[in-house]
Amino acid sequence: SQQGEEDPQALSIQEGENATMNCSYKTSINNLQWYRQNSGRGLVHLILIRSNEREKHSGRLRVTLDTSKKSSSLLITASRAADTASYFCATDAEGSYIPTFGRGTSLIVHP
Amino acid sequence: KAGVTQTPRYLIKTRGQQVTLSCSPISGHRSVSWYQQTPGQGLQFLFEYFSETQRNKGNFPGRFSGRQFSNSRSEMNVSTLELGDSALYLCASSLAGARYEQYFGPGTRLTVT
Repeated sequence: SQQGEEDPQALSIQEGENATMNCSYKTSINNLQWYRQNSGRGLVHLILIRSNEREKHSGRLRVTLDTSKKSSSLLITASRAADTASYFCATDAEGSYIPTFGRGTSLIVHP
Repeated sequence: KAGVTQTPRYLIKTRGQQVTLSCSPISGHRSVSWYQQTPGQGLQFLFEYFSETQRNKGNFPGRFSGRQFSNSRSEMNVSTLELGDSALYLCASSLAGARYEQYFGPGTRLTVT
């Protein structure tokens, strides 16, 4: 089974709204990463957050990590139609060097 | 700088045949990883090569193999193709390894008939 699972599976919002997606995982991790995939640009790295970090920002993106709940959230503020894509979290469990990807959240941003 | 390139982009093969996919990483990146992406199983790690050595391996049968050359370019081979091998095969390169920031190529779409 997947180490990380994103929720919701699909999200549909209007341009300008915020989008929040979550990732839950099963075992202790070293790092958690978020990636975006769309047909135009393929799979692109967004943010890496280490297990000893709680929050990171990158432009309109904010990632939080709660290791006690084994969960992470990705917030996209003021979304744009160009943010339409699938978003994946990837985790590597402690003692492992292999990243495990979730099934992804499909985000549609309507203009 | 140039991104990760993969060739070919599309491939149609027949069951039982073998296939070789190629990946050129970003200049300076010594880690190259391969992934299989399907609608049913999602994105799954195949293996990682670092400085010509296989460093990590996912849970795939021995029909899936790879290698890395001294210039960091990598090839992946699948022998005795099965219908279930139809997938998008993605290559990713990284400075530090698969558990850190990776740069993905556009993928090779393999269809097995």
